[in-house]
Amino acid sequence: NAGVTQTPKFQVLKTGQSMTLQCAQDMNHNSMYWYRQDPGMGLRLIYYSASEGTTDKGEVPNGYNVSRLNKREFSLRLESAAPSQTSVYFCASIGSTRANTEAFFGQGTRLTVV
Amino acid sequence: GENVEQHPSTLSVQEGDSAVIKCTYSDSASNYFPWYKQELGKRPQLIIDIRSNVGEKKDQRIAVTLNKTAKHFSLHITETQPEDSAVYFCAASSGAGSYQLTFGKGTKLSVIP
Repeated sequence: NAGVTQTPKFQVLKTGQSMTLQCAQDMNHNSMYWYRQDPGMGLRLIYYSASEGTTDKGEVPNGYNVSRLNKREFSLRLESAAPSQTSVYFCASIGSTRANTEAFFGQGTRLTVV
Repeated sequence: GENVEQHPSTLSVQEGDSAVIKCTYSDSASNYFPWYKQELGKRPQLIIDIRSNVGEKKDQRIAVTLNKTAKHFSLHITETQPEDSAVYFCAASSGAGSYQLTFGKGTKLSVIP
């Protein structure tokens, strides 16, 4: 039982390049999330998926797209990276029952856009 | 949408003293309030949570209190130890459907030996 697995761990991109961050969970959770973490800004929600087949914008969606490939996998894509997207990205999943609302996070992706 | 304010942003305490971190939220529909601890270079991990039908919850040296009327909740750590040094995040969620969590900006706690 690996929990939430996120790849890659580190990435450097040039401005304008594209990339996809991968996330997979093996806890049979319905809900999955992408957050970005910047110094002094906490964790800000980019996009989330309440269930397979649905995605919704969070607080800071501009410049990103997501795909809920199946119940296990939720990917985040940067089509044309900008320096403002330099950040640490966390994927998370949450169970859907009242007794199972702990958010489990991946290990994070440190992205630098130069 | 929900807005969570967290104070202070940094907190230094002597080992053995208590630490208190406070959060306020804006959405009266929020009913789930977790606290996460993030050590340097690591992922956030849940340390304690409270639901709106409970006023206080304790787990060894940590406790959380909730005042729904005032829309604020607090984390209390007693007998602090150096390993408590980390960034702590509060969060709020309406628990409706997707359990979307809104986080505070975090408190960097330093415990001085």
